[in-house]
Amino acid sequence: NAGVTQTPKFQVLKTGQSMTLQCAQDMNHNSMYWYRQDPGMGLRLIYYSASEGTTDKGEVPNGYNVSRLNKREFSLRLESAAPSQTSVYFCASSRVAGARLFGEQFFGPGTRLTVL
Amino acid sequence: GQQLNQSPQSMFIQEGEDVSMNCTSSSIFNTWLWYKQDPGEGPVLLIALYKAGELTSNGRLTAQFGITRKDSFLNISASIPSDVGIYFCAGLDFGNEKLTFGTGTRLTIIP
Repeated sequence: NAGVTQTPKFQVLKTGQSMTLQCAQDMNHNSMYWYRQDPGMGLRLIYYSASEGTTDKGEVPNGYNVSRLNKREFSLRLESAAPSQTSVYFCASSRVAGARLFGEQFFGPGTRLTVL
Repeated sequence: GQQLNQSPQSMFIQEGEDVSMNCTSSSIFNTWLWYKQDPGEGPVLLIALYKAGELTSNGRLTAQFGITRKDSFLNISASIPSDVGIYFCAGLDFGNEKLTFGTGTRLTIIP
């Protein structure tokens, strides 16, 4: 039981390049999330998927797209990377979204992205 | 976007000391969660609180769900070196599918 896995762990991009961050969970969770973490800013939600087949914007969605490929996998795409997207990206999952019980989110180890 | 006010922002303590930190919000939450993040890792869930006034322990950690439902507290007793890291609170309300996170408290243990 690996929990939430993310690839790659590190990535360096040049401005304008594109890339996809991958996330998978093996806990049979319905809901998945993408966050970015910047120094002093805590965790900010980029996009989330409350259930398979649905996606919604979070607090900072501009410059990103997501795909809920199936129940296990939720990818984050940067179409044209910018230096402002240099950050640590975390994927998380929970059994359900917004519930009193089972709404607890479990996080992956993160992807450290630098855009030059 | 809303973020919770977490204090203190950082703490420098000696091994063996007790630690207290808190989180406050202008909004009511129905669930409070406390996470710990080690350097280079993702946040790990420590404690979940579901009811106003609830006091829950996990080893040396104790967390409380404030009576007003607008705050929560985390205490660590007899700190040890592996307690070093960033502690985040997070709140969840029924009308929202998303967690709201605090800005974190960075704990450092002075040798």
